Amino acid sequence: GQQVMQIPQYQHVQEGEDFTTYCNSSTTLSNIQWYKQRPGGHPVFLIQLVKSGEVKKQKRLTFQFGEAKKNSSLHITATQTTDVGTYFCAGPSTSGTYKYIFGTGTRLKVLA
Amino acid sequence: NAGVTQTPKFQVLKTGQSMTLQCAQDMNHEYMSWYRQDPGMGLRLIHYSVGAGITDQGEVPNGYNVSRSTTEDFPLRLLSAAPSQTSVYFCASSPQGGRYQETQYFGPGTRLLVL
Repeated sequence: GQQVMQIPQYQHVQEGEDFTTYCNSSTTLSNIQWYKQRPGGHPVFLIQLVKSGEVKKQKRLTFQFGEAKKNSSLHITATQTTDVGTYFCAGPSTSGTYKYIFGTGTRLKVLA
Repeated sequence: NAGVTQTPKFQVLKTGQSMTLQCAQDMNHEYMSWYRQDPGMGLRLIHYSVGAGITDQGEVPNGYNVSRSTTEDFPLRLLSAAPSQTSVYFCASSPQGGRYQETQYFGPGTRLLVL
């Protein structure tokens, strides 16, 4: 069945270092979303990408959708302690119009 | 607006007990869904609803029932709890849900432990 994997599963960085998480889908996605979940919290929507090769920026965060629309990445420049959390990608499921499938997530820890 | 609310925040059950996790939203969203979150597995869709009176199964529906009698409420029922249902449960809503995907707004979650 359809799978959405993220790598790495965990990442520890020193504050100020850059961080990247990759999202890989076994199927082509019409669009992809990214969510952030703080420790003990709930997922919060960050952004949606729709076009092949699309790049969007939010301050220190850069999101990219692959040309083949099967992968995506989130890059954080100069991490801060406020970036701590788990980052999830999510896309439409191939098994139904109203179903969404989430990636396995990347947990980021920022060391001060 | 309160957004998406869930009760209870924590619950401990014994194997075989039943319970209902409550979810409500005040944004007049048509689409509501339930996910469970387990370590290393991300969020998995249990059931979803595209409007009052309409529900359907997600990825992991076994052991769970839902109903949608109003736009606002979408309760999740565990009929006979099992240790494998120990998890964090999130309810989410979006305006309509659909092929072009919409932002999903998540509730604060319910942590369930089944002994």
